[in-house]
Amino acid sequence: GAVVSQHPSRVICKSGTSVKIECRSLDFQATTMFWYRQFPKQSLMLMATSNEGSKATYEQGVEKDKFLINHASLTLSTLTVTSAHPEDSSFYICSAREPGLGGYTFGSGTRLTVV
Amino acid sequence: RKEVEQDPGPFNVPEGATVAFNCTYSNSASQSFFWYRQDCRKEPKLLMSVYSSGNEDGRFTAQLNRASQYISLLIRDSKLSDSATYLCVAARGSTLGRLYFGRGTQLTVWP
Repeated sequence: GAVVSQHPSRVICKSGTSVKIECRSLDFQATTMFWYRQFPKQSLMLMATSNEGSKATYEQGVEKDKFLINHASLTLSTLTVTSAHPEDSSFYICSAREPGLGGYTFGSGTRLTVV
Repeated sequence: RKEVEQDPGPFNVPEGATVAFNCTYSNSASQSFFWYRQDCRKEPKLLMSVYSSGNEDGRFTAQLNRASQYISLLIRDSKLSDSATYLCVAARGSTLGRLYFGRGTQLTVWP
């Protein structure tokens, strides 16, 4: 089946720094990838839709200047959390949908802790 | 109102039990539906898609009622390995890429 690789799996950073998370589709091309965030005991919330070769589409309430998304190729999307704040500590997960299939494959997630 | 509402749980059942989870969605434009399972601190994994005609995959049966915007998941003969959080998901959008997740229902199966 489709595999989506996400790195790093865990990162701890200081307030004010930036963190980049990578999401790769390993055996298929993904023109669209999705970034989610999950706080403890909460549901996954879609943050943005990453489109290859064009600007990402952000959900309401998500700051595009804080969460920079780059989808430069058909197999790689990156999410950069800029000027990280402890409130940004969360579980970030990317997903992609292999063309023709009904389900979505998720990356293994990145647990971000901002101290 | 949340897009997808689920039974809050938690459900604690013995091995071999049958357990049912319910879910409702608020937006009638939702087109596809799924059940995912999520183990603690892991990513969600697709359990099964949900079709209007109902579908079964081994011990798991999913049902969708579009008129009442209701989705269910039935697990028969529960196993210890079924312990996880079950997420009800609705999808819509031009590429059906916008997934809306319920908070999940936690299931613990005990020996």
